[in-house]
Amino acid sequence: QQQVKQSPQSLIVQKGGISIINCAYENTAFDYFPWYQQFPGKGPALLIAIRPDVSEKKEGRFTISFNKSAKQFSLHIMDSQPGDSATYFCAARNRGTYKYIFGTGTRLKVLA
Amino acid sequence: DAGVIQSPRHEVTEMGQEVTLRCKPISGHNSLFWYRQTMMRGLELLIYFNNNVPIDDSGMPEDRFSAKMPNASFSTLKIQPSEPRDSAVYFCASNSGGRSNEQFFGPGTRLTVL
Repeated sequence: QQQVKQSPQSLIVQKGGISIINCAYENTAFDYFPWYQQFPGKGPALLIAIRPDVSEKKEGRFTISFNKSAKQFSLHIMDSQPGDSATYFCAARNRGTYKYIFGTGTRLKVLA
Repeated sequence: DAGVIQSPRHEVTEMGQEVTLRCKPISGHNSLFWYRQTMMRGLELLIYFNNNVPIDDSGMPEDRFSAKMPNASFSTLKIQPSEPRDSAVYFCASNSGGRSNEQFFGPGTRLTVL
């Protein structure tokens, strides 16, 4: 119940295309859903986040879509660029704690 | 702001040796987290502290692992004795608490146990 399942494991997209990464969860006590971006040799950094009372959040080229009834959320990267090539992690936080459960990560490669 | 500082950045040791990883959180942050990242298991939370007190250590794999936070600006993660399966990248992260949700990660320590 504490798992966050992420797919796909890896993704190759052409420059200008749309990258879509999906996550699913079971625990209804999760109340905050961030996406983190990690470049090789670096620590993860917060990209965008959403709360379950909102169905969509957009920041620039990055959008989170959230489906509370299906317990699924996804990251969309519009107009993908080679600089977006990184590993992306979804996460979920237990309500009332600072504890995150991370997905297994998606390695994105955007071809120039 | 220097961000979260971790040392060493790389550590190579032999099986059976003691390893100590260090972390300095962002000044003013009162929550600190230790994570382990491997290809097989992804990013796992080992332990987290709030106001220097360990809150949840359920992710600590076994008694060989211990973590301390003697003050608000310093934490250690110790492995004694180390084993090859402990090889991973260990991240420290901090959070300012309250209504803030963002965890700020350090650059990590890559540990190799031979």
